[in-house]
Amino acid sequence: EEQLVESGGRLVRPGGSLRLSCAASGFPLSTFNMNWVRQAPGKGLEWVSFISTNNVHLQYAESLKGRFTISRDDAKNSIYLQLNSLRAEDTAVYYCARDRALDIRAYDIWGRGTLVTVSS
Amino acid sequence: EIVLTQSPATLSLSPGERAILSCRASQRLNNYLVWFQQKPGQVPRLLIYDASKRATGIPARFTGSGSGADFTLTISTLQPEDSAVYYCQQRSSWPLTFGGGTKVELK
Repeated sequence: EEQLVESGGRLVRPGGSLRLSCAASGFPLSTFNMNWVRQAPGKGLEWVSFISTNNVHLQYAESLKGRFTISRDDAKNSIYLQLNSLRAEDTAVYYCARDRALDIRAYDIWGRGTLVTVSS
Repeated sequence: EIVLTQSPATLSLSPGERAILSCRASQRLNNYLVWFQQKPGQVPRLLIYDASKRATGIPARFTGSGSGADFTLTISTLQPEDSAVYYCQQRSSWPLTFGGGTKVELK
């Protein structure tokens, strides 16, 4: 079964840092572009970041540039999101999503998400 | 940044009725418009890509249409299991953006 599993979310103080992981199973992550999407409690979806195959192309939401960094380790079949200088408004469930950019141009598989809570 | 405005915010209909959800972009898209469905406590599920193509396993009652800056998701005959929030997403230009969502409630 093809699936994604996120981890690393926890309670963190404002100004703190966190590294989220997304592990893929059932398919070779190296052949797919990947994304992070977040959802604040009771709110809508917000696209966060994109990473292409081979790390060639990286993209971030405008409001997050400079604080978040996406990366991937294809040998470990995983992608990561480094979150720095965290703020209360970063509190959200963070999802990773597989991007079928070459054929259907959409996210076909999502993980169940990991909750990041930023609070003092 | 392309802003997507979804309307209405909430749609309250009875089973068997037709639901029409709108997604309007702040500038013209190249039809790289996607629709997702999210039920309470669940992850988003892909419904429609390229504005009008149904994803694998999606029932025929879900239809995407539109072009330019105006797009529509139509659910022809609402089923109880269609109660959810529906989001559009544009993939026309960076940064990618989602609409605010339309909540479909079944009476």
